[in-house]
Order: sequence, then C-alpha cells, then structure tokens
Amino acid sequence: GIQVEQSPPDLILQEGANSTLRCNFSDSVNNLQWFHQNPWGQLINLFYIPSGTKQNGRLSATTVATERYSLLYISSSQTTDSGVYFCAVHEAQGGSEKLVFGKGTKLTVNP
Amino acid sequence: DTGVSQDPRHKITKRGQNVTFRCDPISEHNRLYWYRQTLGQGPEFLTYFQNEAQLEKSRLLSDRFSAERPKGSFSTLEIQRTEQGDSAMYLCASSRTRGENEKLFFGSGTQLSVL
Repeated sequence: GIQVEQSPPDLILQEGANSTLRCNFSDSVNNLQWFHQNPWGQLINLFYIPSGTKQNGRLSATTVATERYSLLYISSSQTTDSGVYFCAVHEAQGGSEKLVFGKGTKLTVNP
Repeated sequence: DTGVSQDPRHKITKRGQNVTFRCDPISEHNRLYWYRQTLGQGPEFLTYFQNEAQLEKSRLLSDRFSAERPKGSFSTLEIQRTEQGDSAMYLCASSRTRGENEKLFFGSGTQLSVL
C-alpha cells in the first residue's frame, strides 16, 4: 500500500515564527488532506488539496502531485497552533476508499 | 453542520468484556469511517460505509470487531471479548462523495481502556 512520510517529526517554535511541514507519498494520489489534532485530541480538517495551492488565513498548502509531496505553511505562529499535524492521502489506483495517514508532525509554539 | 458525535467519550472495561461505541455523522454525509489511533501514531483505517453498505474492512479488523450502520444514519462499532491491545482512541469520521465534498470530518473519539 501507499506510504506517507511526514517531516520533521517534531518542531518547536517561538510565537510569531513561520514554519513549513512536509508530506511525501509513495504513489499517485487523488485525494490529499491536512489535519490538525489539538492537544485535546480533536482532529480538524485544514485543507482538501489533491493538487495546487490553497490559503486559509495564516495557513496555506501546496501539493505537487507529479512529484509526490505536499507542504503546509504556517505563518506568524500562535500558541494555539500547537498540536500534531497529519497529512492523509487516498491512493489513486489502489481500489480502496480509505485515507492513509502519516505519523504526523508535532508542533509546539512557545509564547 | 452539527458535527460528528461519538458516545461515550471514555470507556474503561475489563479484559473479556464486550463494548459498543456509537457514532452520529453529519446528517447529509453518506460516507462514514471508523479509525483507531494509538499514542504517537496517525489514525489507522478500520472500516467504511457508504450509506448502509459496509464497503471496506481493514485486515486490522479481527472477527471480534463488528460495525453496523442501519438505515445509513448512525453507526455502531462493537468489540467482543476485549483484549488489552484493543486500548486506543476510536475515531469516527464522515464525508460526502466527490471532490471537495470528500473532506473528512472527525468526531471527538471514544478513548477505550482495557484493564
């Protein structure tokens, strides 16, 4: 099955800093989503982005499907951005409807 | 949208007991998923329904696990003869089909502890 690798595994920032999280996947995808899991465990959908670029406030995401990676940018980070960020993909040719998750990037934003 | 609801939030049980969890998806979503998450890992797919039909099951889902979605609305996940290795967060998610509508929305999860 498809493999999803996220980097870095851990990231510590000072409030106000910018960051880039990366998601690499091993095969063609037709669905890619980014999630934020807050410290209370709730998973929030940030982006549906199988290709191209989207922006939502201080967050933006870019997926280059032909090169099998996606990037999540967080600008002017705030303490409320802390948590784990997951990338999840749906394999285009796999015949399955499941989203496969990476292991996540744990972000800590210090005041 | 009222969001995806899961009940209970926490469940503590003794090894060998049966447990059942409930998920109420967003009302207009026809797809419903169950995932399991352990500490430090991403969610792992268990099973998926489109309306009332269970269309896919992970090999992780042993015969002690069963899921239903009668009438294509709420879903239940039952674990029989629980084992300590079943301890995890059980997450339910729902979505529509097609394109942007495939965005997955998760509930708050049921944290299961098997003693």
